[in-house]
Amino acid sequence: DTAVSQTPKYLVTQMGNDKSIKCEQNLGHDTMYWYKQDSKKFLKIMFSYNNKELIINETVPNRFSPKSPDKAHLNLHINSLELGDSAVYFCASKTRQETQYFGPGTRLLVL
Amino acid sequence: SQELEQSPQSLIVQEGKNLTINCTSSKTLYGLYWYKQKYGEGLIFLMMLQKGGEEKSHEKITAKLDEKKQQSSLHITASQPSHAGIYLCGADDRGSTLGRLYFGRGTQLTVWP
Repeated sequence: DTAVSQTPKYLVTQMGNDKSIKCEQNLGHDTMYWYKQDSKKFLKIMFSYNNKELIINETVPNRFSPKSPDKAHLNLHINSLELGDSAVYFCASKTRQETQYFGPGTRLLVL
Repeated sequence: SQELEQSPQSLIVQEGKNLTINCTSSKTLYGLYWYKQKYGEGLIFLMMLQKGGEEKSHEKITAKLDEKKQQSSLHITASQPSHAGIYLCGADDRGSTLGRLYFGRGTQLTVWP
């Protein structure tokens, strides 16, 4: 029973391409997040959605666009990929007052 | 924004030894979370601390939050190879229900048999 799942697990692509990462949670949580972990393992928040509405948007290039079709899904679309976008992207979810549960991560490599 | 400093950056211990990882905040912590990350995997929730002086334990791992709520420590007793991984502390931003977490840069733990 996977709580927070992400696809794909690995993504290797060329610079300039457009790609999407999908996230799904079956915990019934209201809030979902996208985090980025760089090569030095520093984990930083990118976006947060609550009940399909964007509530946190950190300083992220507008090439990154999150989309939440419903409460259980939060996808991340990235346009015109750049070398610096190479990282591990984590999805997480939580209800109010509860702990954030993280997905397994998507390892993105831009060549 | 919250800034968290973790120390040490990396730690290599022999199996059976005790160890401590520290997490220090530049601001008062409203919620302090400890996660563990194994290579190639996601973050596994370990513990959450909210009250000054609070201490929680799970198996051989104990986490404490100091009275001033600006520092937390994670202590592992009788370490095992299964404890190896990256330990991350995360802090809740101003107690907001938005749950934005700021993370330290992690401590890489290696346990050799």
